[in-house]
Amino acid sequence: NAGVMQNPRHLVRRRGQEARLRCSPMKGHSHVYWYRQLPEEGLKFMVYLQKENIIDESGMPKERFSAEFPKEGPSILRIQQVVRGDSAAYFCASSPQSDYEQYFGPGTRLTVT
Amino acid sequence: AQSVSQHNHHVILSEAASLELGCNYSYGGTVNLFWYVQYPGQHLQLLLKYFSGDPLVKGIKGFEAEFIKSKFSFNLRKPSVQWSDTAEYFCAVKALNNAGNMLTFGGGTRLMVKP
Repeated sequence: NAGVMQNPRHLVRRRGQEARLRCSPMKGHSHVYWYRQLPEEGLKFMVYLQKENIIDESGMPKERFSAEFPKEGPSILRIQQVVRGDSAAYFCASSPQSDYEQYFGPGTRLTVT
Repeated sequence: AQSVSQHNHHVILSEAASLELGCNYSYGGTVNLFWYVQYPGQHLQLLLKYFSGDPLVKGIKGFEAEFIKSKFSFNLRKPSVQWSDTAEYFCAVKALNNAGNMLTFGGGTRLMVKP
């Protein structure tokens, strides 16, 4: 059973470009969570999704950031018009049910130049 | 909103030394508690978790943690560390009755074990 997959592992974008980060949950998991880790800090929750629904986006910046988890395919975290402050590691986690532990992917390291 | 504090940001130990990493949280209700480890260049892995029952929890690789409800603490321990334990350790809390289901993480503790 493959773990949580994230791609790309490393992404470099210039200021103003768009970044798309993908997350494929573990097989059988329908709950997906995105976290961001800024340099020298712990992980901060961004958004929690189930298939086709955003359950909690209380940690998402109000502008430029969006997330989706379509019926088919991976979950996508989209950052429009990236700025240097968006440089971070973005981790995706999945769980089979809401009250189960979360399994983390390897992360995508976004660098904005 | 809940918060999690890890008091030691960097810890350096020699092999065979005992380890205790502190974790305190602020939330008055029922919680699930977790310790994750991130080895260099790798993703987060679950070391151990507490949901209910015996407050002394044993995890993988010889780690254990004790939930002390009165102190809002969930400290991680290992009696004898190895060089391979060099990693960053994160404490995390999930507040039950939180419809968002999110984990709140501490800032992490970087452990270096000298051979």
